[in-house]
Amino acid sequence: GESVGLHLPTLSVQEGDNSIINCAYSNSASDYFIWYKQESGKGPQFIIDIRSNMDKRQGQRVTVLLNKTVKHLSLQIAATQPGDSAVYFCAENGDDGGATNKLIFGTGTLLAVQP
Amino acid sequence: DTEVTQTPKHLVMGMTNKKSLKCEQHMGHRAMYWYKQKAKKPPELMFVYSYEKLSINESVPSRFSPECPNSSLLNLHLHALQPEDSALYLCASSPTSYNEQFFGPGTRLTVL
Repeated sequence: GESVGLHLPTLSVQEGDNSIINCAYSNSASDYFIWYKQESGKGPQFIIDIRSNMDKRQGQRVTVLLNKTVKHLSLQIAATQPGDSAVYFCAENGDDGGATNKLIFGTGTLLAVQP
Repeated sequence: DTEVTQTPKHLVMGMTNKKSLKCEQHMGHRAMYWYKQKAKKPPELMFVYSYEKLSINESVPSRFSPECPNSSLLNLHLHALQPEDSALYLCASSPTSYNEQFFGPGTRLTVL
C-alpha cells in the first residue's frame, strides 16, 4: 500500500553541525511534499514544501531535496541550533484521484541537538 | 490574523459525555481538516472540509461528528467516546484543498 517512511527514527547532532533528515515514499503519483516540525506539546509547524517539478528548494537555513527516481526526500538544516530539537515529519499528498490535499505523514524523526 | 486557534487546550470527559472541539481561522482559507495524533505517532487524517462541504471522511466512527458552520469555523462534536480515543486532536487549514496545511496547537483529549 501507500506509505511514507523514514530511515532514522532518532538523529543526534552537535550544535552548529548540519543535520540531514531522510524520508522514503512509495507513491510515485505524489506530486507535493511538505516537511513539518513538531515541538513537544505543539501542533506541527510548516517548514518547507516542494512540488514534483523541482528537485531542490531552499529556505532560511533549510533545504529540501527531492529525488523522484528513488522516491526519496530529505531535509537539510544548516548550523543546527538547540531550538531545532523537535520531531520532523515528511508528508506527501498521495493520489486520491481528486483535487483534495490529503496528506500522508511519515513516521517522524526525533532530532536531538546537543549543546 | 495568521494562525489557527483551537479550544479548549485540554479536555477530560467521561464515556457518556457530549463535548465539542472548536477550531477557528481568519486567513480566508477554504479547506479545513481534523487530524488525530497519538503519542509518538504521526497525525492521522479524520475529516476534510472544502468550501464548507465535507469532502473526505476517513471511515471515522460516528461518535465523532464534524461540523463546518462557516468558512472560518470547524467543530468536532464528541459523544460516547472510548478511552482509546484519548489523543491530541489537531485542526488545520489551507488556502484551497491543494496547498500547504497550517496546524493549530491541538486539543489534548482524555477519555475516562
